[in-house]
Amino acid sequence: DAGVIQSPRHEVTEMGQEVTLRCKPISGHDYLFWYRQTMMRGLELLIYFNNNVPIDDSGMPEDRFSAKMPNASFSTLKIQPSEPRDSAVYFCASSLEGDRGQPQHFGDGTRLSIL
Amino acid sequence: GQNIDQPTEMTATEGAIVQINCTYQTSGFNGLFWYQQHAGEAPTFLSYNVLDGLEEKGRFSSFLSRSKGYSYLLLKELQMKDSASYLCAGRTGGSYIPTFGRGTSLIVHP
Repeated sequence: DAGVIQSPRHEVTEMGQEVTLRCKPISGHDYLFWYRQTMMRGLELLIYFNNNVPIDDSGMPEDRFSAKMPNASFSTLKIQPSEPRDSAVYFCASSLEGDRGQPQHFGDGTRLSIL
Repeated sequence: GQNIDQPTEMTATEGAIVQINCTYQTSGFNGLFWYQQHAGEAPTFLSYNVLDGLEEKGRFSSFLSRSKGYSYLLLKELQMKDSASYLCAGRTGGSYIPTFGRGTSLIVHP
């Protein structure tokens, strides 16, 4: 069974560059989540989608961040322009319908370093 | 807010029992998850509680008291591989989307 697949696993880039993170959720899952994890702030929810529709993007830090889900098997998180404070581990997670206690399944994450 | 509070760090001895506590705001409660996260890896699901009481899964158990807004994760017969961060995630405020606590870093020593 394939889990949530994220790419790239590591990204190192210079400040000001555009960064695109990719995620393939588990087939059949209705929900997709993007999280950011840092030592200072823990695991923060950035945005989540239900059936490919963005439901809540209140966690997106600013307009430099955008996320799309063009179909049920693919999502992107884009940062443009990137800044050093964006350095973190970004996780994508997916789950089945939320009201029955279905857990989230996390990808391996993208470790992003902005120089 | 949906504050999820848990201790930052705990230490325990191999073979012992440890209890990791988590408190949350009770308004609009819809369930609570525990996840394990080893350093450099993704969180993985451990347990889910929505009714009061203890749920046992092998060496790991999770307890919930809805009236007190309190849960704990109990780890028995600790092994070195149990050294990890344990994340409490509560669904409160009427939402089905969980909010994660900062995690409790558990260090198991010989």
